[in-house]
Amino acid sequence: AQSVTQLDSQVPVFEEAPVELRCNYSSSVSVYLFWYVQYPNQGLQLLLKYLSGSTLVKSINGFEAEFNKSQTSFHLRKPSVHISDTAEYFCAVSDQGSGTYKYIFGTGTRLKVLA
Amino acid sequence: DSGVTQTPKHLITATGQRVTLRCSPRSGDLSVYWYQQSLDQGLQFLIHYYNGEERAKGNILERFSAQQFPDLHSELNLSSLELGDSALYFCASTWGAGGMGNEQFFGPGTRLTVL
Repeated sequence: AQSVTQLDSQVPVFEEAPVELRCNYSSSVSVYLFWYVQYPNQGLQLLLKYLSGSTLVKSINGFEAEFNKSQTSFHLRKPSVHISDTAEYFCAVSDQGSGTYKYIFGTGTRLKVLA
Repeated sequence: DSGVTQTPKHLITATGQRVTLRCSPRSGDLSVYWYQQSLDQGLQFLIHYYNGEERAKGNILERFSAQQFPDLHSELNLSSLELGDSALYFCASTWGAGGMGNEQFFGPGTRLTVL
């Protein structure tokens, strides 16, 4: 079965500093990877996804993630964070099994941007 | 706004009771997924319905059941509630039967508190 590991449960960072949120997956087949963001008291929103092609994918709000097959990683980065980026970030892999496609989520990383 | 609606937003009930959570998918989406988010288990896939039929079950307890109606809205029924069932319950929808790279659109969730 596929799994996703987010090693950092919380990441505090000062405003305008760079940040990296780590995500590793386990899979022996082709993978589709996603980053979702959950703002306080809200549902999950898709931030970016990797399906195929370029290994570097970007979101409209400055985040980017790089798919690294050899290291089975899909780390999320932002060169300069804002207070408004404070949220919980979930890495997910799309898993096929038992006749359905579903997400396997990591445990989440809580990003706290400090003024 | 993802276009997925969930009611109620909050639900407080007692142990042993039964509750029903409702989800309306985005217009045109045929698949509905249910997820449970709790502090100790993280985000867990519960069940997937496609066009009225159950496609797959994940970590769903036997006390829980779901259905999808002809108008495509879905209900998650939780019975004989226990303290440990307190969690945030999300539904998500996607077009078709879902695919490995299909984005799932999440509702705002229903927060269930069992006292």
